[in-house]
Amino acid sequence: AQSVTQPDARVTVSEGASLQLRCKYSYSATPYLFWYVQYPRQGLQLLLKYYSGDPVVQGVNSFEAEFSKSNSSFHLQKASVHWSDSAVYFCALSMGSSGYNKLTFGKGTVLLVSP
Amino acid sequence: EAAVTQSPRNKVAVTGGKVTLSCNQTNNHNNMYWYRQDTGHGLRLIHYSYGAGSTEKGDIPDGYKASRPSQENFSLILELATPSQTSVYFCASGDNRGNERLFFGHGTKLSVL
Repeated sequence: AQSVTQPDARVTVSEGASLQLRCKYSYSATPYLFWYVQYPRQGLQLLLKYYSGDPVVQGVNSFEAEFSKSNSSFHLQKASVHWSDSAVYFCALSMGSSGYNKLTFGKGTVLLVSP
Repeated sequence: EAAVTQSPRNKVAVTGGKVTLSCNQTNNHNNMYWYRQDTGHGLRLIHYSYGAGSTEKGDIPDGYKASRPSQENFSLILELATPSQTSVYFCASGDNRGNERLFFGHGTKLSVL
């Protein structure tokens, strides 16, 4: 069965600092991978997705993520965070067309950006 | 942008009572999903549907039923609510034309006392 692990439950960074949120997945084939963000009292919104090709994918608000098949990872990065980036970030996996976009989520990472 | 609307936004129920959570999407997506979100667990899939009239069990279906009477509407039903079902519930929709993205509603906060 597939799974997603986000090893950091909570990350605190200073405004302007760089950020990496970690995501490891377990799946026998190459999955479809996603990062979603959840702002307070809102639903999840898509940040970026990886299907195939270039392992570095760009998303909204200057976020990017790098897929590594050898490490089974899909880490989220941002060069300079803003206080408005404070939110909960979820990494998710889909098995592709055979899974009809049924997503498996990690437990989420709470990001706090301090002034 | 796809729109997914959930109602109610907040619900307080009594143990043993029946609760119905409703979801409506206006983008003609085939697939709809119900997730619950709990601290330490992330989002877990309860039920999903590939179209009107169909429902499938997700990863944690026990204690829940689902109903998809039309393309637009997908309900989650708790026939006998229990305190362990206190959670935030999210509905989502997506198409199955190679776009794996899901669109989420704002969530329903359910408290079972």
